[in-house]
This record gives sequence, structure tokens and C-alpha cells, in this order.
Amino acid sequence: DTEVTQTPKHLVMGMTNKKSLKCEQHMGHRAMYWYKQKAKKPPELMFVYSYEKLSINESVPSRFSPECPNSSLLNLHLHALQPEDSALYLCASSQGYAGGTPTDTQYFGPGTRLTVL
Amino acid sequence: GENVEQHPSTLSVQEGDSAVIKCTYSDSASNYFPWYKQELGKRPQLIIDIRSNVGEKKDQRIAVTLNKTAKHFSLHITETQPEDSAVYFCAAPRSGTTGNQFYFGTGTSLTVIP
Repeated sequence: DTEVTQTPKHLVMGMTNKKSLKCEQHMGHRAMYWYKQKAKKPPELMFVYSYEKLSINESVPSRFSPECPNSSLLNLHLHALQPEDSALYLCASSQGYAGGTPTDTQYFGPGTRLTVL
Repeated sequence: GENVEQHPSTLSVQEGDSAVIKCTYSDSASNYFPWYKQELGKRPQLIIDIRSNVGEKKDQRIAVTLNKTAKHFSLHITETQPEDSAVYFCAAPRSGTTGNQFYFGTGTSLTVIP
């Protein structure tokens, strides 16, 4: 299995809703990522998990809350989002490394297209 | 910090012609450079990558060249086909970080005209 899967594919939510995005990989990767991508823009890094621990939070607002229940799963909990949070949310994974300059290939999931009304 | 500049932002070529996209990075310690292709509504997919111990890598119609001295790397697509139409992103690792973090270029929208 060489894929990263994400659910749901599409999500429409109101500003008062609470929802979660899910990501799964079975490649034995130990690093997982959340990215946000606006139309015609490159992916923007949000969070990095390394060996199930949050290692990077790119100053993301607290209305986005990541969770890594185990080495195969990554969730992104959403609460009180704003319309400007509407975007494609991409999960990615890579083998993980012990330190130094990263050289691991990142594999992306298909994304969840989120619309906040 | 690391900046990755990508040019051109849009590129139109006739089917069968070649396409070249160039990225420039700033950190001389960077040692891994992937290229991603993203079709409309789909995920970014790795199409080729290069590590700093080689100057060129080829995979059928796709090649990547790396000039470490000038700090730039380029994607070359030969004999372009309509299905090559997509947005292409280059990436370079962020220096001084503790996790796998990449700076992505701003993207090149490639259109192959049949």
C-alpha cells in the first residue's frame, strides 16, 4: 500500500460547527503533515508530527487542532472556523528521520475540500 | 530562511515541444529537491526528485538538472503531451528545522496545446 487516504473528500460546515478531517497511511511512515492549499497557490505547511509527537506548529490558529492517535492516523479537528479557512486540506507522510537536513520524500493524500459558510 | 523562486508562472507549449521550469534556492546546505505535478482538483504527485550528489536525473520524458554552484534546479519535459498540462511545484528543504519541512515554489501552470 503506497497511498495516503483522506476522508471526507468534501466538507461544508458552518462557523459554529465542529468537524474532523482524517488521514491514514500504511507505509510505515513516521512523519505526517497537514497542509492548507488555496486555489492556484502552493501547499502551506500547518503541522508536522514526527514519531506521533507534534514537532512543528506553523503558528496555526487554535481553531485547528491536530491529533495523532497512532503512527498510521492523523486527524485535524475543526471548530469555529472562518470563511477564509475554506481551502483544500492536504495530508502527507514521509519515512521520518532522526535529525539533520530532511531528505525524505513526502507523499500527499487526495485532500479534503473544505467550505466554511 | 530558505526562499524558492520558480519561473515561469505560466507556460504554454505546442504538443511535442519541450518545457523547462526553473527554481532557485538560497540555502547551500539544501540536498534534496522534489518536483510535484498537480492536476486540477487532485493531489500533488511526486514526478521526479534529485539529491545533491548528482547533477542530473532522468525518467523517460522527464529530467531534472541541479546546479549546486548557482543554486538552481530545473525540470525538463520533452515531447510534451496534453496530459502533461498541470501545475508543477518545485520544493527545497527548509534549513535549520527539526522536521521534514519544505519551501514550495509558487507553481508553474503548464498548458500543452494539441
